[in-house]
Amino acid sequence: EVQLVESGGGLLQPGGSLRLSCAASGFTFSGFGMDWVRQAPGKGLEWVAYTNNDGSAIYYADSVKGRFTISRNDVKRSLYLQMNSLRAEDTAVYYCVRDKGVTYAMDVWGQGTTVTVSS
Amino acid sequence: DIQMTQSPSSLSASVGDRVTITCQASQDISNYLNWYQQKPGKAPKLLIYDASNLETGVPSRFSGSGSGTDFSFTISSLQPEDVATYFCQQYSNLIITFGPGTKVDIK
Repeated sequence: EVQLVESGGGLLQPGGSLRLSCAASGFTFSGFGMDWVRQAPGKGLEWVAYTNNDGSAIYYADSVKGRFTISRNDVKRSLYLQMNSLRAEDTAVYYCVRDKGVTYAMDVWGQGTTVTVSS
Repeated sequence: DIQMTQSPSSLSASVGDRVTITCQASQDISNYLNWYQQKPGKAPKLLIYDASNLETGVPSRFSGSGSGTDFSFTISSLQPEDVATYFCQQYSNLIITFGPGTKVDIK
């Protein structure tokens, strides 16, 4: 079964750091581009970051550029999101997502992990 | 950055009705437009990719069309299980953006 399972969410204060992880199974992880997408409570979807299949092309949303870092370990079949200088507006459910080929259609989603930034 | 507008923001229709949602991009995005369904408390699900291609396993009552800046998504015969929020999503110039969503419920 194709599956993505996120972990690492939690409650932390503004200015803090957190690392999210996503474990992939059921498909050839090294063959796919991957994204992080987030959804603030009661809001719509916001794309956060993308890495292609070998990590040579990485893009970020302006809202997280310079604070968040996406990375992958194909041996461990895992995707990561290092989040620094967290702000209240980073509070959201964070989804790990697989890209369907070159079209950036997101065909496999994890269940999400919740990050809450509050003092 | 490319802005996505989606309309309507919400709609209420009867079972069996034809429902259409539109998505407009602020610049030409060719056919780099995808549609998702999100039910409450669940992760989004890909329905349509490349503007008009039905994702495997998705019922044929769902369809998409358009190119350039104007796109549409249609449910040909609304079913109770289609109650959800629907989002369009585009890729262009190294940036991915989602539309604000359309909430669909049953009248």
